[in-house]
Amino acid sequence: DVKVTQSSRYLVKRTGEKVFLECVQDMDHENMFWYRQDPGLGLRLIYFSYDVKMKEKGDIPEGYSVSREKKERFSLILESASTNQTSMYLCASRGTGTGGTGELFFGEGSRLTVL
Amino acid sequence: AQSVAQPEDQVNVAEGNPLTVKCTYSVSGNPYLFWYVQYPNRGLQFLLKYITGDNLVKGSYGFEAEFNKSQTSFHLKKPSALVSDSALYFCAVRTYNFNKFYFGSGTKLNVKP
Repeated sequence: DVKVTQSSRYLVKRTGEKVFLECVQDMDHENMFWYRQDPGLGLRLIYFSYDVKMKEKGDIPEGYSVSREKKERFSLILESASTNQTSMYLCASRGTGTGGTGELFFGEGSRLTVL
Repeated sequence: AQSVAQPEDQVNVAEGNPLTVKCTYSVSGNPYLFWYVQYPNRGLQFLLKYITGDNLVKGSYGFEAEFNKSQTSFHLKKPSALVSDSALYFCAVRTYNFNKFYFGSGTKLNVKP
């Protein structure tokens, strides 16, 4: 089974702190994604990466950055956390071996509270 | 622009009754359509997908979905609901030439005993 692991399930941070959310997948997937989930808004794409050191902005990249130094790891960084970044953060991965028809595999989520 | 609409925030159904969770989409090109389920404080789990071929797609846990191109819909169905089906359901769409998945806002399914 594909496993996407998000290292922190629950975090509480203070405004202005730098926050790192880590995600690791074990299926050699080329594509990795960070989403933010808020009630009534569904999932919104923050950033995605289709290869090591490659990244593209999603729909809501402001206030976030990402890093992909190794194929299996995709990190989301909040340079200076703000209260409006309190949310559930979901990491996902997808391979390209299925001719582009593959589904996303999600981690368990990281619930971040910024005080 | 690509988008997904789930018109119902919440669906209530009695155990043993059939259930339907609605999804409509708007894309340029042929759609790839997906359904996911999320239990409280968990990530999303894949249920089923439509890529091409038969309009009726069968997935995990007895769920199925029907692709209707003329109505641009992809409704999720189950003939007999279980209390354990109570969860949040998301519809998603992408097309071949885009790496992005677009998600609906989610529908909360409540199955009463």
